[in-house]
Amino acid sequence: GAVVSQHPSRVICKSGTSVKIECRSLDFQATTMFWYRQFPKQSLMLMATSNEGSKATYEQGVEKDKFLINHASLTLSTLTVTSAHPEDSSFYICSARRGQVNYGYTFGSGTRLTVV
Amino acid sequence: KQEVTQIPAALSVPEGENLVLNCSFTDSAIYNLQWFRQDPGKGLTSLLLIQSSQREQTSGRLNASLDKSSGRSTLYIAASQPGDSATYLCAVRPGGSTLGRLYFGRGTQLTVWP
Repeated sequence: GAVVSQHPSRVICKSGTSVKIECRSLDFQATTMFWYRQFPKQSLMLMATSNEGSKATYEQGVEKDKFLINHASLTLSTLTVTSAHPEDSSFYICSARRGQVNYGYTFGSGTRLTVV
Repeated sequence: KQEVTQIPAALSVPEGENLVLNCSFTDSAIYNLQWFRQDPGKGLTSLLLIQSSQREQTSGRLNASLDKSSGRSTLYIAASQPGDSATYLCAVRPGGSTLGRLYFGRGTQLTVWP
């Protein structure tokens, strides 16, 4: 089946530094990947839609200069949290859909980011 | 804008009970609806995917139904087990969108005790 690999699973960084999170589709090509953020006991909030070979589409209220998304190939999308602050601490999850409209979505295992 | 609501927010039951988790959505124009399971600190595992033209899907002890016209879906779990303890999320994919984003409910946190 469709597998999405996300790394790292956990990361702790200091305020002001940048952190990169990778999301790879292992056995299929993903033209589009999605990045979500999840706060404790809350549902998933879509941050941006990542399109291979073009600029990401950000949701309202999400700072594109802070959350840099790159989708350089059909199997890899990255999210870089720049100049991280403690309020950026959260759980970040990527997802992708294999091919056609009627397929469901596969999610990565998530990244727990803690900014100290 | 699509809004997804899940009831109840939390559920605690003894092992062996049959359960019903509810999901409702405001816009019935959807491509499909997907049920996920999320364990603490983990990503999402897809359980069932129901296309807009379908009424239900089954996988093992799980059965999901869809009534698109009324904007409702239910996830039925038969003979619950402690291993079923997790948060269950319902997500809809709106129709007419080429971007394909999902709209999630807040989930039902299920605890099954021995």
